[in-house]
Amino acid sequence: QVQLQESGPGLVKPSETLSLTCTVSGGSINNYYWSWIRQPPGKGLEWIGYIYSSGSTNYNPSLKSRVTISVDTSKNQFSLKLSSVTAADTAVYYCTRGYGGHGYWGQGTLVTVSS
Amino acid sequence: QSVLTQPPSVSGAPGQRVTISCTGSSSNIGAGYDVHWYQQLPGTAPKLLIYGNSNRPSGVPDRFSGSKSGTSASLAISGLQAEDEADYYCQSYDSSFVLFGGGTKLTVL
Repeated sequence: QVQLQESGPGLVKPSETLSLTCTVSGGSINNYYWSWIRQPPGKGLEWIGYIYSSGSTNYNPSLKSRVTISVDTSKNQFSLKLSSVTAADTAVYYCTRGYGGHGYWGQGTLVTVSS
Repeated sequence: QSVLTQPPSVSGAPGQRVTISCTGSSSNIGAGYDVHWYQQLPGTAPKLLIYGNSNRPSGVPDRFSGSKSGTSASLAISGLQAEDEADYYCQSYDSSFVLFGGGTKLTVL
């Protein structure tokens, strides 16, 4: 059974860079798309972007200038970097498999942007 | 403001049937892109409920069904149960971008 686990700091200061890693277990990261999705407290889901195992990416246009998603197939991990964060970036961040019809999700990790 | 429009809330009594709509446009749902549906119970990650407009993953009861027509899609839940109380999200695409609806809160009366 494929499992995903997000890891990274739960608190980030304004203007700094948010960095999260998703570790995939129970299956290979190869030959799949992998996504990051976030959910601000009390609000809906927002797609951040996805990466294919080969490294090709696609990002939400509203976040594109600040987002980088990368993959490390040797570690079965993929990562998210979001730069110049503000309080509006406070959210639960989920890593998922696929770029639609996401059947596998991590449990989510709350990242708070605050000084 | 989401590109895919869902009603903020719906409600129904146990045993009843409810539907949740997801309205898009000619550049997303109307362009032929698939629609997927997710159920999110309080404090948990979303769970895939319907994929490819009308398909249920293994383990999802057949009380849940999906359909798509034109620029809209619908999720129907029959035989409503208390455990169905949750937030529901539709998801589709616009070109290569992923879109989510704003979500619908289902209350079981």
